[in-house]
Amino acid sequence: EIMMTQSPATVSVSPGERATLSCRASQSVSSRLAWYQQKPGQAPSLLIYDASTRATGIPARFSGGGSGTEFTLTITSLQSEDFAVYFCQQYKNWPQTFGQGTKVEIK
Amino acid sequence: QVQLVQSGAEVREPGSSVKVSCKTSGGTFNSYAIIWVRQAPGQGLEWMGGLIPIFGTPNYAQKFQGRITLSADESTSTAYMELSSLRSEDTALYFCARERYPYKTGDYFDYWGQGTLVTVSS
Repeated sequence: EIMMTQSPATVSVSPGERATLSCRASQSVSSRLAWYQQKPGQAPSLLIYDASTRATGIPARFSGGGSGTEFTLTITSLQSEDFAVYFCQQYKNWPQTFGQGTKVEIK
Repeated sequence: QVQLVQSGAEVREPGSSVKVSCKTSGGTFNSYAIIWVRQAPGQGLEWMGGLIPIFGTPNYAQKFQGRITLSADESTSTAYMELSSLRSEDTALYFCARERYPYKTGDYFDYWGQGTLVTVSS
C-alpha cells in the first residue's frame, strides 16, 4: 500500500495571499494524483486530477504540480470559500490511498 | 447530473451491524465502481472497499476483511455497505463515491455521497 504524507498539517494564511500544500508518496505514483477539498460537514469534492488538471468548474487560482513522489497544490489569492481541508490521493495502485489532509485556516 | 444520496445517520451498539445505502441517479449505475471511504472524527480518509455492480465481485481493504460486505441492487441503482461486529472505533462518517471511468477500478473519484454518520455506543 502506498503511503501518502501531507505537510504541513495546518497552514494559516490571510485572505488574498498564497498557500502552498505538499504531498509526498512513499513510491512513485507517476502523475496519478488527485486533490480534494473538504469543508466542515461536507463530502470531499474533486479539485485536481492527473496531478495538474483542474476538474470542471474549478477556478484557475488552484493549480497542481509535481510527478513521481513529490506534489504541490497552490492556491493563489485565497478567497473566503477556500478555507477548508485539502486531501491528496494516489490512484497509481490499488487501493487508492489518501494523505491525512492539510487544513487551510484564516490567519 | 450524477448524484449519490446516502441513507441517514445510524446509532448501533457494539457487536451489532449496520447497513448504509447509496442511491445513484443521473448516470449509468452498473458500470462504474462505487467505493466506500470512511472518516473518523477529526481524521483522514480511509478506503474500505469497492464494487462495480455489473461485475459483482467486490474488493475489500484487508483491514475490513471478514466484517464488510458490499452489494448493489441494479433495479434501484443503489449500492450498500454492511459492516458487522461494530466497535467504538468504527464511529465515523461513511462516504460512497464513484470512480471516474466505467468498467475499471483504480481511478480518482468524481462524485461523492453526502456521508452517513455511524455512531457505535452502548
